[in-house]
Amino acid sequence: LAKTTQPISMDSYEGQEVNITCSHNNIATNDYITWYQQFPSQGPRFIIQGYKTKVTNEVASLFIPADRKSSTLSLPRVSLSDTAVYYCLVGDSRNFGNEKLTFGTGTRLTIIP
Amino acid sequence: DTAVSQTPKYLVTQMGNDKSIKCEQNLGHDTMYWYKQDSKKFLKIMFSYNNKELIINETVPNRFSPKSPDKAHLNLHINSLELGDSAVYFCASSQVAERDNSPLHFGNGTRLTVT
Repeated sequence: LAKTTQPISMDSYEGQEVNITCSHNNIATNDYITWYQQFPSQGPRFIIQGYKTKVTNEVASLFIPADRKSSTLSLPRVSLSDTAVYYCLVGDSRNFGNEKLTFGTGTRLTIIP
Repeated sequence: DTAVSQTPKYLVTQMGNDKSIKCEQNLGHDTMYWYKQDSKKFLKIMFSYNNKELIINETVPNRFSPKSPDKAHLNLHINSLELGDSAVYFCASSQVAERDNSPLHFGNGTRLTVT
């Protein structure tokens, strides 16, 4: 199982860049790294996904080193609305039902005004 | 407009009852899932299903059973409810393709409380 490890919580001030790292030492060749955001009383929402190197979209960047045993989600210039729980998920949805599709405990990010 | 919708949003029931949660997705995805999120916010996969195969997480009690009338629906039936079944249940869907790893699209959850 590609078990993931993330910090349980992080605090940051508005306007700063926030980096959340996820460790996944047992990542398999076919596994992708996907990050989700969850607000209270809502389901997780897809943020970004990558396989290797760097991926950037309109909301975040994802940095993946060559060995793929960790990944870092980078949120530029956070605002209060970025307060949420962030989950790192490592797996391959083609193996649907695989236990790897179980989420870890996530990182509770709190943005301070 | 809701991509993945679940009903009901809240469900309060007594031990021993049988209940169902409905899920529908309008994304045209071929695979649907049920997740359970407990009080510690740990999201655990329960089932995955597409039109050919049902995969059950072996830790899920057989009191839980998914039913799929068609590709857009995956309902969750729970028999003989127990106190420990209290949690938030999320439905999700994805398009499982040969080359891409499709992200999961979640509903907003059903909070089940067993008294």
